[in-house]
Amino acid sequence: EVQLLESGGGLVQPGGSLRLSCAASGVTFGDYALSWVRQAPGKGLEWVSHIGISGGNTYSADSVKGRFIISRDNSKNTLYLQMHSLRAEDTATYYCATQPEGLYRHMDVWGKGTTVTVSS
Amino acid sequence: DIVMTQSPDALAVSLGERATINCKSSQSLLYSSNNKNYLAWYQQRPGQPPKLLIYWSSTRESGVPDRFSGSGSGTDFTLTISSLQAEDVAVYYCQQYYASPLTFGPGTKVDIK
Repeated sequence: EVQLLESGGGLVQPGGSLRLSCAASGVTFGDYALSWVRQAPGKGLEWVSHIGISGGNTYSADSVKGRFIISRDNSKNTLYLQMHSLRAEDTATYYCATQPEGLYRHMDVWGKGTTVTVSS
Repeated sequence: DIVMTQSPDALAVSLGERATINCKSSQSLLYSSNNKNYLAWYQQRPGQPPKLLIYWSSTRESGVPDRFSGSGSGTDFTLTISSLQAEDVAVYYCQQYYASPLTFGPGTKVDIK
């Protein structure tokens, strides 16, 4: 069974940085592209960033471009999201999700999420 | 960006009755080279992460009960729950993966009447 487990969330001050991780098990990690999707409290889903199977192709939403960096370590079966210059509007639960084949595919497995709160 | 809209915002249906959720995209999600609609549906139960129900607008994910079905093409899509069960209380989202940025509809909350 494929499982994704996010970690690294917490309380951070505006302007601060945080790194989220997403550890995968039960899957050949290198066979999947992955995305981060976030959900602000009481709100809908917002796609944040995507990374291809090899890590060479990355895409990000305009709202995080230049501040968030997505990366992956296939030897550790782990996905990362390095977040800089955090703002109050980045407060959300962040989910990682697998996408078979690439960006233009559905998200078939989701983690349980990790919560980021940006506040002074 | 492709804008996704859903209707209604919320609906309450009696147990065993049909629930229908509509999703509309601001541009066609039908890719002519493979005749596939790049549209997925997700279910999010309270306090849970989203769960994939339907992809390619009408392909049911493995393990999803057959009371869930997806239809539509181009810009207009529908998720139907043929006989609502108590465990179907959730928010349902449509999502396009035709173009970046990937975008979701605002969600439709389904409750028991």
